[in-house]
Amino acid sequence: ETGVTQSPTHLIKTRGQQVTLRCSSQSGHNTVSWYQQALGQGPQFIFQYYREEENGRGNFPPRFSGLQFPNYSSELNVNALELDDSALYLCASSRPQEYTEAFFGQGTRLTVV
Amino acid sequence: RKEVEQDPGPFNVPEGATVAFNCTYSNSASQSFFWYRQDCRKEPKLLMSVYSSGNEDGRFTAQLNRASQYISLLIRDSKLSDSATYLCAVNPGNTDKLIFGTGTRLQVFP
Repeated sequence: ETGVTQSPTHLIKTRGQQVTLRCSSQSGHNTVSWYQQALGQGPQFIFQYYREEENGRGNFPPRFSGLQFPNYSSELNVNALELDDSALYLCASSRPQEYTEAFFGQGTRLTVV
Repeated sequence: RKEVEQDPGPFNVPEGATVAFNCTYSNSASQSFFWYRQDCRKEPKLLMSVYSSGNEDGRFTAQLNRASQYISLLIRDSKLSDSATYLCAVNPGNTDKLIFGTGTRLQVFP
């Protein structure tokens, strides 16, 4: 086990709704990254948080937003859900400044109907 | 051209076979390289980091060729339990993000 936990594990939402996904990072890791993995694809980088600030963003629209809290846990918020947002959302924690391996949580499988 | 490319497979091999996967990357400034294993409907799990000198962990050997911009993963004596999707990941060096390939599916049969 990586020590990275995500909730919920599964979620079904309707197009146009908003969703919040949560992640608790591994002890000692203060950097959290979020990825979206569509079926048959590799994970795509959404953004990263370090010390409660966004520290890099991938090619995702502004309706994807996030937060990091003082305990390094993080949230991913997606507004105005679209059918194509259906995917596995993965959170990964790592230590910054000495790029190390990223360890993933079990993911949240989001289905938008 | 995609930043990280992998042959999607599937690679169907018998138990005991040796199988090799390659992964090419486009950014010559890339800093770190990794292989992840992903089982069906599960999260990716780190298999190996890839170092310039190459590294080995039991039946698994990873190598980096910076000149040709590819990394490889060799699996010897394949087991049924090796059946999974193998993802390569590259850190381009300008941030801590990882860029993943689409994954190579391996199916080991008895």
